[in-house]
Amino acid sequence: EVQLVESGGGLVQPGGSLRLSCSDSTFTFTRYWMTWVRQAPGKGLEWVANIREDGSEKYYEDSVKGRFTISRDNAQNSLFLQMNSLRVEDTAVYYCARVVGYRLPNYYYYYAIDVWGQGTTVTVSS
Amino acid sequence: DIQMTQSPSTLSASVGDRVTITCRASQIISTWLAWYQQKPGKAPKLLVYKASTLESGVPSRFSGSGSGTDFTLTINSLQPDDFATYYCQQFNSYPWTFGQGTKVEIK
Repeated sequence: EVQLVESGGGLVQPGGSLRLSCSDSTFTFTRYWMTWVRQAPGKGLEWVANIREDGSEKYYEDSVKGRFTISRDNAQNSLFLQMNSLRVEDTAVYYCARVVGYRLPNYYYYYAIDVWGQGTTVTVSS
Repeated sequence: DIQMTQSPSTLSASVGDRVTITCRASQIISTWLAWYQQKPGKAPKLLVYKASTLESGVPSRFSGSGSGTDFTLTINSLQPDDFATYYCQQFNSYPWTFGQGTKVEIK
């Protein structure tokens, strides 16, 4: 069974940094786009960032652009989210997840997030 | 950005009821829509993708429909395990966006 496991969450002061990690060894990691989705306390889901199978394309939600960096190490089946200049409003549970879709010659069509980790909690507070 | 609006925000229902949740996109998204179920303290679970395709292992009482801007998730004969919060999500364009969620409560 595919199981993503996140780590790296914790309490950090505003302006600080954290690096989240996510790994799984039960599926062919290199075949999938991967994503981070977050959920603030008592709130809905918010997409944060995506990374292509080989790491060559990355996309970010506007509020994290320039502060967060998504990356991956396919040799280690691992996904990362480097979070800098953290703000109180970044407080959330962060989920690592797998994206499914299909590729045509000029475009990749995503259609679901089918496997989710259990989440890691990031709290930004002074 | 594409706004996703779900209705209702909260729904009270009884076991055995038929429940319908609506999701409306602010722009045409074809059928690039998924539905998720989330229980307290747990990660979301994929139910439906491409608007109407049931994810493997999901009970057949769940169904999705719609295209363009208007979509529905229907649960036929609500079961005790179905009391949860449901989210729609669009994959038509970045940034990917979710609806605000619909909480299905016990009546």
